[in-house]
Amino acid sequence: NAGVTQTPKFRILKIGQSMTLQCTQDMNHNYMYWYRQDPGMGLKLIYYSVGAGITDKGEVPNGYNVSRSTTEDFPLRLELAAPSQTSVYFCASSSGGRIYNEQFFGPGTRLTVL
Amino acid sequence: AQSVTQLGSHVSVSEGALVLLRCNYSSSVPPYLFWYVQYPNQGLQLLLKYTTGATLVKGINGFEAEFKKSETSFHLTKPSAHMSDAAEYFCAVSRGYQKVTFGTGTKLQVIP
Repeated sequence: NAGVTQTPKFRILKIGQSMTLQCTQDMNHNYMYWYRQDPGMGLKLIYYSVGAGITDKGEVPNGYNVSRSTTEDFPLRLELAAPSQTSVYFCASSSGGRIYNEQFFGPGTRLTVL
Repeated sequence: AQSVTQLGSHVSVSEGALVLLRCNYSSSVPPYLFWYVQYPNQGLQLLLKYTTGATLVKGINGFEAEFKKSETSFHLTKPSAHMSDAAEYFCAVSRGYQKVTFGTGTKLQVIP
């Protein structure tokens, strides 16, 4: 099992550009999440999904969009990138059978917006 | 609302010394509590979790944590630090499938 994979690992964007961060999991998990991690701020939830076709906003959804057409994939779309979106982005998944089930994290995408 | 406070953004210990990383939570209902570890340039991975039952929870790599309801704490300890323990540690509380609140993290430095 590869677990949770994310691409790309690094990306530099210019202000106003758009991009999609890819996330795939091979554990057949229903629940998937996108977080951003800023220094000294912990992780903030951007969007989450409880299954294919179902997504919802987290704490900091502005400037982002998601879709969930399959169980495996949960891409995060940045439209009109801004310097405030410079961050490390983590995708995670969990089986969701119990609310205390652990989340499995991908290795992250380091994004810089200049 | 539920929240987590981690005391100390940076902790330094000597190799072989006790590791103590502090976490306090606030919760209106019995919480589910977690400790995750993040090694440089990697994602988070679960160290241990408290759900119900025994209040002393053992995790991987010799770490353990004790849930103390009266103190609303869930401190992480390890009797003897190893160089490989150098990482960032996050305490987290679960409010539901999609509502895990993470603390701001504590970076552990292990001095040889």
